[in-house]
Amino acid sequence: KQEVTQIPAALSVPEGENLVLNCSFTDSAIYNLQWFRQDPGKGLTSLLLIQSSQREQTSGRLNASLDKSSGRSTLYIAASQPGDSATYLCAVRGPTGANSKLTFGKGITLSVRP
Amino acid sequence: DTEVTQTPKHLVMGMTNKKSLKCEQHMGHRAMYWYKQKAKKPPELMFVYSYEKLSINESVPSRFSPECPNSSLLNLHLHALQPEDSALYLCASGGGSTEAFFGQGTRLTVV
Repeated sequence: KQEVTQIPAALSVPEGENLVLNCSFTDSAIYNLQWFRQDPGKGLTSLLLIQSSQREQTSGRLNASLDKSSGRSTLYIAASQPGDSATYLCAVRGPTGANSKLTFGKGITLSVRP
Repeated sequence: DTEVTQTPKHLVMGMTNKKSLKCEQHMGHRAMYWYKQKAKKPPELMFVYSYEKLSINESVPSRFSPECPNSSLLNLHLHALQPEDSALYLCASGGGSTEAFFGQGTRLTVV
């Protein structure tokens, strides 16, 4: 059974800091990995998708990496801003693609202090 | 357009009521999903529809009944719910790349 771990559960940083959020998973047989952002009481916003054959993806100030063999992914946020405060969830999709489940980590709640 | 639209945004229902949650996407995605999220927990998969057919049911109680009338619509029919079913219900869709797009959710309260 796939298990996804995100540590720590919460993180507080001053504005402007570069930071790394970590995600680990137990079963390397994944189709892809996706990072999401969730604001309180809201739905999930997709940030980055990394296919199992890829090593990294970039979007603006965000960069996500994937090391499938070691079961790890990182989300790098450059020059953090108060508007980045949210919960960041990592999710891996099972090996059969769209017809398989996304397994989520518990998320990291990020607070960026002005 | 990468939007998944869920209605209603909020729903309060009694334990004897019947209600339905609705989800719509126009991205041509052939996979649609229902997730349940309790406070401060990650989303948990309930159902997967692939090409309008139910492909995964994560042992969800029968008081939750999904329906996929066509490739753009997904419903979740609710009947005789319990207070512990109160949660944020999220709909998602996925395309060829299997990137998942989520709606804003329906906040359900069972009284």
